[in-house]
Amino acid sequence: GQQLNQSPQSMFIQEGEDVSMNCTSSSIFNTWLWYKQEPGEGPVLLIALYKAGELTSNGRLTAQFGITRKDSFLNISASIPSDVGIYFCAGNNFGNEKLTFGTGTRLTIIP
Amino acid sequence: NAGVTQTPKFQVLKTGQSMTLQCAQDMNHNSMYWYRQDPGMGLRLIYYSASEGTTDKGEVPNGYNVSRLNKREFSLRLESAAPSQTSVYFCATRQTSYNEQFFGPGTRLTVL
Repeated sequence: GQQLNQSPQSMFIQEGEDVSMNCTSSSIFNTWLWYKQEPGEGPVLLIALYKAGELTSNGRLTAQFGITRKDSFLNISASIPSDVGIYFCAGNNFGNEKLTFGTGTRLTIIP
Repeated sequence: NAGVTQTPKFQVLKTGQSMTLQCAQDMNHNSMYWYRQDPGMGLRLIYYSASEGTTDKGEVPNGYNVSRLNKREFSLRLESAAPSQTSVYFCATRQTSYNEQFFGPGTRLTVL
């Protein structure tokens, strides 16, 4: 099945740095979702975006729904150790039961 | 308010054994899903249920069966487990009219 292309695949950053990652699709979505998964746990929903151009924040996290509706971006400001994990994007259209997931970005923070 | 719960958390089976993975939600959501997650393959949809009494195949349904017992519970059954079914299994739910899916903590299954 289709997977969305996420980049970068992995990031090694120092605590306090800002993080940017993105997700691209060959098809249009009307919903973009961002999840975080920690080792041994299930994915946790961070942000949901429903409108092209929309910019939504959740604490230090900010996500944007791309104008073309084929991409989305996630930024984390002033990273802290608990930000470690794998971040997944997912896209969907109303009426479609199935989410299309990204390949994931693994974030590692160097003390 | 537990959200989405899954049992068991860990399971080891021998090839050919059967087992049922349980999922329950207290979010009053209509749709429920079963995924498997494998390294390098991401999350793949096995089966889903858009409402009580209905089930549909996802991307990788072979070797699995599901039952939507009621609105709260959606079970996944392996009739004759194979090593290729070694994976982490996640249940998820979704409220009608929204696209967000909420995941359970997962069941880690090993088939020897």
